[in-house]
Amino acid sequence: AQSVTQLGSHVSVSEGALVLLRCNYSSSVPPYLFWYVQYPNQGLQLLLKYTTGATLVKGINGFEAEFKKSETSFHLTKPSAHMSDAAEYFCAVSSFGNEKLTFGTGTRLTIIP
Amino acid sequence: EAQVTQNPRYLITVTGKKLTVTCSQNMNHEYMSWYRQDPGLGLRQIYYSMNVEVTDKGDVPEGYKVSRKEKRNFPLILESPSPNQTSLYFCASSFRDPTLSYEQYFGPGTRLTVT
Repeated sequence: AQSVTQLGSHVSVSEGALVLLRCNYSSSVPPYLFWYVQYPNQGLQLLLKYTTGATLVKGINGFEAEFKKSETSFHLTKPSAHMSDAAEYFCAVSSFGNEKLTFGTGTRLTIIP
Repeated sequence: EAQVTQNPRYLITVTGKKLTVTCSQNMNHEYMSWYRQDPGLGLRQIYYSMNVEVTDKGDVPEGYKVSRKEKRNFPLILESPSPNQTSLYFCASSFRDPTLSYEQYFGPGTRLTVT
């Protein structure tokens, strides 16, 4: 079985500050890890994913995430927050050849002007 | 434009009145699924389909039906809706990339209220 824990259902950062959204996973097999973003009244959009290879993954809009096997983590970061980053972010896990995505409960990011 | 479409986007109905939410994708994806999103619970999979005429239960299938008669369409059917099915519903389609991961594309969502 696979699961995802997102620490902090709400995170607020000032514009220009570092964004850090936390995700820890549990998986009995090597995981594939994803971050999705949901803007208000829209569907989910893929930000980035890790499958194999380089553990630091770069995504769209300046976001990146690092897969740390020893910590079972896949935290999402962005060096400088922008007002347009305000959204809900979901971490998800699957595995090799497995179509099923298991989502975390989401983190709502608020940007303070 | 590659997309997943859902209709209707908003629906208010009464308990017991059968309804169907349609989902269509134009990317020739084999895999499609339905999720519901509830506050504090994230997204939970209702049903999925690996191909035409192949469907299976997800994590929360009770009270829902699906069918996959054509590759592009995957309707969600609530035969007797109840208030606990008030939720935001998402359809998604995906393909298997060379790393054998599935990248899912989501529709815009259908907000359903059952009174």
